[in-house]
Amino acid sequence: NAGVTQTPKFRILKIGQSMTLQCTQDMNHNYMYWYRQDPGMGLKLIYYSVGAGITDKGEVPNGYNVSRSTTEDFPLRLELAAPSQTSVYFCASSYVNEQYFGPGTRLTVT
Amino acid sequence: KNEVEQSPQNLTAQEGEFITINCSYSVGISALHWLQQHPGGGIVSLFMLSSGKKKHGRLIATINIQEKHSSLHITASHPRDSAVYICAVKGKNTDKLIFGTGTRLQVFP
Repeated sequence: NAGVTQTPKFRILKIGQSMTLQCTQDMNHNYMYWYRQDPGMGLKLIYYSVGAGITDKGEVPNGYNVSRSTTEDFPLRLELAAPSQTSVYFCASSYVNEQYFGPGTRLTVT
Repeated sequence: KNEVEQSPQNLTAQEGEFITINCSYSVGISALHWLQQHPGGGIVSLFMLSSGKKKHGRLIATINIQEKHSSLHITASHPRDSAVYICAVKGKNTDKLIFGTGTRLQVFP
């Protein structure tokens, strides 16, 4: 099993550009999450999903959108990138109480 | 005040020392997680606890539900233990985790 995979690993965006961060898991987990990690701060939940077709907002959803058309994939969309979205983004999936994290995407918006 | 507080924020140690990292939380929980994040690396789950104590190799995690407190101990620390250790709690009746800000550990040879 590959576990949770994320692409890309790094990305630099200009202000106002759009992009999609990809997340795929091969463990057949129903629950998936997107977090952002800013320096000196704990991980913050952006969006989460409890199964295909179901998504909900977390603590910091503004500026992001998600979709969950399959159990495996949970892409995160940034429509109009802003410098405040410079962060490291982690995708995770969970089964019962155990969470499995992807390797992260480091995004810089300039 | 954060719902999950960790102490210390930074910790340095000599190889071989016994390490303790603390986590206090203010909400009712169904589970507590200890996670490890190496510099530039991903996040790995070390332990998930709902009561008592768990041990894995040189790592020991304990939780006191009544006092809303957990500790992560590392025995015979090694430079490869250098990482950020993150405490996270799962509240009751929720699927979401609340994270502490992490403890940065550096172990010198």
